[in-house]
Amino acid sequence: AQSVTQPDIHITVSEGASLELRCNYSYGATPYLFWYVQSPGQGLQLLLKYFSGDTLVQGIKGFEAEFKRSQSSFNLRKPSVHWSDAAEYFCAVGATGRRALTFGSGTRLQVQP
Amino acid sequence: NAGVTQTPKFRVLKTGQSMTLLCAQDMNHEYMYWYRQDPGMGLRLIHYSVGEGTTAKGEVPDGYNVSRLKKQNFLLGLESAAPSQTSVYFCASRSQGPSGYTFGSGTRLTVV
Repeated sequence: AQSVTQPDIHITVSEGASLELRCNYSYGATPYLFWYVQSPGQGLQLLLKYFSGDTLVQGIKGFEAEFKRSQSSFNLRKPSVHWSDAAEYFCAVGATGRRALTFGSGTRLQVQP
Repeated sequence: NAGVTQTPKFRVLKTGQSMTLLCAQDMNHEYMYWYRQDPGMGLRLIHYSVGEGTTAKGEVPDGYNVSRLKKQNFLLGLESAAPSQTSVYFCASRSQGPSGYTFGSGTRLTVV
């Protein structure tokens, strides 16, 4: 069965600092990997996704993520965080066929001025 | 705009009441999913469908029923609502093959 672990429940960074959110997955074959962001009371917005090819994926809002098969990780990064990035971030793993997405429990990002 | 539409957006139920949440997509997607989101637990799969007339259980199916009589619609029913079903419900759809998932904007349900 596929699973996703986001080790950090809550992270606080200063505005302008760099950010890395961790995601580890468990899946038997090559997974499809996603990062979503959710602002309070809002729906899910797709930041980026990885299906195949280049392991460094660029997304919206200046985010990027790197797929590392050897570490079963898909960490999300941003070089300089803005106050508007404060939100909850979810990593998810999917696959071909009928499989649904499996989500991690989320990381809540707080940005200090 | 093409996408996934969920109705209603908000609902308050009394314990024991029933209701149906509607998910409609206009992208001709084969697969549709219902999730619930609870604090600290991410999104958990309730039921899903791989095509018209088919449904299957997900991770947390108890207390819910679903139907997919038309390809574009996926209904989630609560026959006898319980406070434990207070949650935000998200519907999603996707096509076959490697593709992204399109999510609805969610339904916030409170059972009192």
